Amino acid sequence: GAGVSQSPRYKVAKRGQDVALRCDPISGHVSLFWYQQALGQGPEFLTYFQNEAQLDKSGLPSDRFFAERPEGSVSTLKIQRTQQEDSAVYLCASSFSDRVEQYFGPGTRLTVT
Amino acid sequence: KNEVEQSPQNLTAQEGEFITINCSYSVGISALHWLQQHPGGGIVSLFMLSSGKKKHGRLIATINIQEKHSSLHITASHPRDSAVYICAVIRGSQGNLIFGKGTKLSVKP
Repeated sequence: GAGVSQSPRYKVAKRGQDVALRCDPISGHVSLFWYQQALGQGPEFLTYFQNEAQLDKSGLPSDRFFAERPEGSVSTLKIQRTQQEDSAVYLCASSFSDRVEQYFGPGTRLTVT
Repeated sequence: KNEVEQSPQNLTAQEGEFITINCSYSVGISALHWLQQHPGGGIVSLFMLSSGKKKHGRLIATINIQEKHSSLHITASHPRDSAVYICAVIRGSQGNLIFGKGTKLSVKP
């Protein structure tokens, strides 16, 4: 079946613009994670959903970052008033439940100019 | 200090060599992942393990829970193994992954 998909794959935004990044998890996967990977670094946790419930958002770096998963499937990560330090690859992963193997999407590379 | 430390950061090997990448962690975990990331960002899970040893083809992963240490071994390395290998742990009370910074492996023909 289809894996995790993300769109867009690449996004260039001018500083101050709002962006929305989409994640389509594997069908039936309950858990969904967002991670941020800066250049040359390992990914870092942003937020976690179990179905439509956002159970952990402790990794979101500021209140400009907002994530939702209203129907327990597709998720959107929104970044308001983008800043240069937001430039990174944003990875989405899903899993059948928590604490089991996660499947990663290809990521969205965000560049803020 | 990072909760997950990997070594080495960079590794260059000749085709056919036996390769070991090490991972140490300082937190309680329920499981550990070894992940492979190719240029362009795609991440693939190689192993998830919580004890002992797992083998898949030329890849072997081991974990010692008492010592909080895991190793990834690649036998008979090949240029197509060139990638970044990332160790990530699932903390006991959470589902999210805590990642190491990765080991960049380059296998020369």
